[in-house]
Amino acid sequence: DQQVKQNSPSLSVQEGRISILNCDYTNSMFDYFLWYKKYPAEGPTFLISISSIKDKNEDGRFTVFLNKSAKHLSLHIVPSQPGDSAVYFCAAKLRYGNKLVFGAGTILRVKS
Amino acid sequence: GAGVSQSPRYKVAKRGQDVALRCDPISGHVSLFWYQQALGQGPEFLTYFQNEAQLDKSGLPSDRFFAERPEGSVSTLKIQRTQQEDSAVYLCASSSSRLAGTDTQYFGPGTRLTVL
Repeated sequence: DQQVKQNSPSLSVQEGRISILNCDYTNSMFDYFLWYKKYPAEGPTFLISISSIKDKNEDGRFTVFLNKSAKHLSLHIVPSQPGDSAVYFCAAKLRYGNKLVFGAGTILRVKS
Repeated sequence: GAGVSQSPRYKVAKRGQDVALRCDPISGHVSLFWYQQALGQGPEFLTYFQNEAQLDKSGLPSDRFFAERPEGSVSTLKIQRTQQEDSAVYLCASSSSRLAGTDTQYFGPGTRLTVL
């Protein structure tokens, strides 16, 4: 029962272009969403988050969009840099709970 | 310390052995989480502590898994009679809030457990 899905296992983007990573969820009780970035042999690093009362949150080169009706969120990275190459995880938190539910991750490769 | 630390970073165990994995959360963080990450998958929740109280252990896969945080800081995840399916990366995370709000969880580097 995958409540959070990242349907693209990998994505390859040219340096300077936009990277768009997608995430779908099924549980309407999720009220907070996060993106984490993970390098090999390291733990996930928090990137950006969004509350369900918003539809957009921006932090520098990173923007997260939330479409509640479609139960879909996306992470935009503009411009993409080679150092952005990593695995990106989408995560969601239930309204009355603390644990995070993660997607399987998307490997982003930014080519220089 | 500056971040969450975990030890050992790598552990190889023979099937049937007991293992203990340690997590040092960020100083002062009230909440502590354990996750299990299988190869090619996202982290999956195991258990959650608020200070020394284990408030949620719904993700522990069997009674061979046991976690404790006796003084509300360092936590230990113990796996008894390890099986090959226990092979995974075990991640610890901490957050500062005791409320079920929007507090960010900060992750350690993980312990990679390989059961032969």
